[in-house]
Amino acid sequence: GQQVQQSPASLVLQEGENAELQCNFSTSLNSMQWFYQRPGGSLVSLFYNPSGTKHSGRLTSTTVIKERRSSLHISSSQTTDSGTYLCALEREEGTGSKLSFGKGAKLTVSP
Amino acid sequence: GPKVLQIPSHQIIDMGQMVTLNCDPVSNHLYFYWYKQILGQQMEFLVNFYNGKVMEKSKLFKDQFSVERPDGSYFTLKIQPTALEDSAVYFCASSHNWGAYEQYFGPGTRLTVL
Repeated sequence: GQQVQQSPASLVLQEGENAELQCNFSTSLNSMQWFYQRPGGSLVSLFYNPSGTKHSGRLTSTTVIKERRSSLHISSSQTTDSGTYLCALEREEGTGSKLSFGKGAKLTVSP
Repeated sequence: GPKVLQIPSHQIIDMGQMVTLNCDPVSNHLYFYWYKQILGQQMEFLVNFYNGKVMEKSKLFKDQFSVERPDGSYFTLKIQPTALEDSAVYFCASSHNWGAYEQYFGPGTRLTVL
């Protein structure tokens, strides 16, 4: 089954509002990464966050291993934040490393 | 930050032809990956590679797929022969080590099989 559940699947905001994107996982965790995927498809790495809270400008990522969740908070959203946000889980495994991606959260910010 | 490059950015080929996708990973990285994303769908793991060997591959990594990194040059994904369902964006990634190390992604190669 799906090991990484992202919610919401889509979100529409007015400029200036905050966004909270969630990622829940069903397996043990090595690390969590958050990406922004541009409409053209290229990826922008936002956070590498195996645990705890990290900040970058208007973005905050929090990973709570015991609760098997990670969140991405966008404060004071801007129209340029529109796009798809992906979380990716690296599981604990013995045969090398691989990321399992969520289905993505499509954010639309209106002026 | 560290950059992963992919060449070409777009490739259009006829079904049945061979295609090679090239990845220039971060210079001191030792672990390499390919991921596949069909338009509008989820990103999926294909294969990882270390020390000249495939460590793990997914069910999407068909027999027609192969990877190599000859003499520390490009890390390549070869598809021979191609099929219509191979149309997708292929992302290369690299990491310094595996097991809780950040993976750095390239911009992707959009492959269209006609």
